Amino acid sequence: EPEVTQTPSHQVTQMGQEVILRCVPISNHLYFYWYRQILGQKVEFLVSFYNNEISEKSEIFDDQFSVERPDGSNFTLKIRSTKLEDSAMYFCASRKVDSSYNEQFFGPGTRLTVL
Amino acid sequence: KQEVTQIPAALSVPEGENLVLNCSFTDSAIYNLQWFRQDPGKGLTSLLLIQSSQREQTSGRLNASLDKSSGRSTLYIAASQPGDSATYLCAVGTGYSTLTFGKGTMLLVSP
Repeated sequence: EPEVTQTPSHQVTQMGQEVILRCVPISNHLYFYWYRQILGQKVEFLVSFYNNEISEKSEIFDDQFSVERPDGSNFTLKIRSTKLEDSAMYFCASRKVDSSYNEQFFGPGTRLTVL
Repeated sequence: KQEVTQIPAALSVPEGENLVLNCSFTDSAIYNLQWFRQDPGKGLTSLLLIQSSQREQTSGRLNASLDKSSGRSTLYIAASQPGDSATYLCAVGTGYSTLTFGKGTMLLVSP
């Protein structure tokens, strides 16, 4: 069964460093998402992406964040200058473009630890 | 702004019990509602999706209902098993189907 994959599973970085989190969505899906979950808190929406542009973003998704689909399979989240409070689990999700069935499928997540 | 609340926050039951998890949301203008399972330190596994026009969905021992007008959904788990132990998340879809999540119900099923 096709699934969303994410790499790396765990990333440790120093404050102020740039990180890139990678996702491979399910192949026939065209809507892509990033969410994050700070330890012990709710899963929060960051950004949605369709047709090579951002469809919607939350107030969390400030100028430090960017997303890209560099090729036909990968979808990346870049954090330009990490802060301690960026430590969280980051989930990528994807779904088909089909108004009758819009279930989102999530990847296993990347745990980001900022020291 | 959509707010999603789940009660109870935690639930402990003996194996074999039927149980109900509750989810409420503040804005009834939703696209859909999705229930997920999350094991500790792991990703989110989709359990059921209910479209805004539907009243319920069933998958095996799971049944989810939706009452949009009252802003409520329930997840019914029949004949619970220790393998059902996990955190169950309710998420409401709006806009481009971005999901707003509740904090979850942590379920422990003891043998």
